[in-house]
Amino acid sequence: GQQLNQSPQSMFIQEGEDVSMNCTSSSIFNTWLWYKQDPGEGPVLLIALYKAGELTSNGRLTAQFGITRKDSFLNISASIPSDVGIYFCAGQGLRSYNQGGKLIFGQGTELSVKP
Amino acid sequence: DTEVTQTPKHLVMGMTNKKSLKCEQHMGHRAMYWYKQKAKKPPELMFVYSYEKLSINESVPSRFSPECPNSSLLNLHLHALQPEDSALYLCASSQDTSTYEQYFGPGTRLTVT
Repeated sequence: GQQLNQSPQSMFIQEGEDVSMNCTSSSIFNTWLWYKQDPGEGPVLLIALYKAGELTSNGRLTAQFGITRKDSFLNISASIPSDVGIYFCAGQGLRSYNQGGKLIFGQGTELSVKP
Repeated sequence: DTEVTQTPKHLVMGMTNKKSLKCEQHMGHRAMYWYKQKAKKPPELMFVYSYEKLSINESVPSRFSPECPNSSLLNLHLHALQPEDSALYLCASSQDTSTYEQYFGPGTRLTVT
């Protein structure tokens, strides 16, 4: 089935540094979503992307829908301790179109921020 | 308001118990989802309800039984679970199944002893 490859798996950064993570697929995706999950909580939707080439910001977060429709990246600028958590990309591919809202998730990027 | 609530927050149950997880949303969403999540792994889809009807069952064992009493409520009935069923159970909702922005609740941490 369709899969999303998310990288890196984990990141250890200093407070104030910028962060970049990405998701790639071997097939075309129609929708890209980025979620953040804090320990013991549910994922929180950060950004949703619907058009190839779309660049969207949410505060210090910026995400882009790749031109080839096979990738997406998420950047976090000037990281702070509360950015700690696991970031998941998720998408809806062409093959899962009309499969009832079924999302495909990446494996997650675990972010640690050192004060 | 994009809030999905789930109760209880934590649940410990024996393998012979029967318990239920509850989920509620008041966003007028017509699609609701149950996911299972193991530590540091992505959520795994279990069930999808669309307009209060079960539309997807991802080959989930029958010891998990979903129910959608109305458009705001989603239950997951548990019976004769196994220790490997211990996980975080997440409920989510979206406007409908053609809208892919899903909003998750905080989850129920289930431990089966």
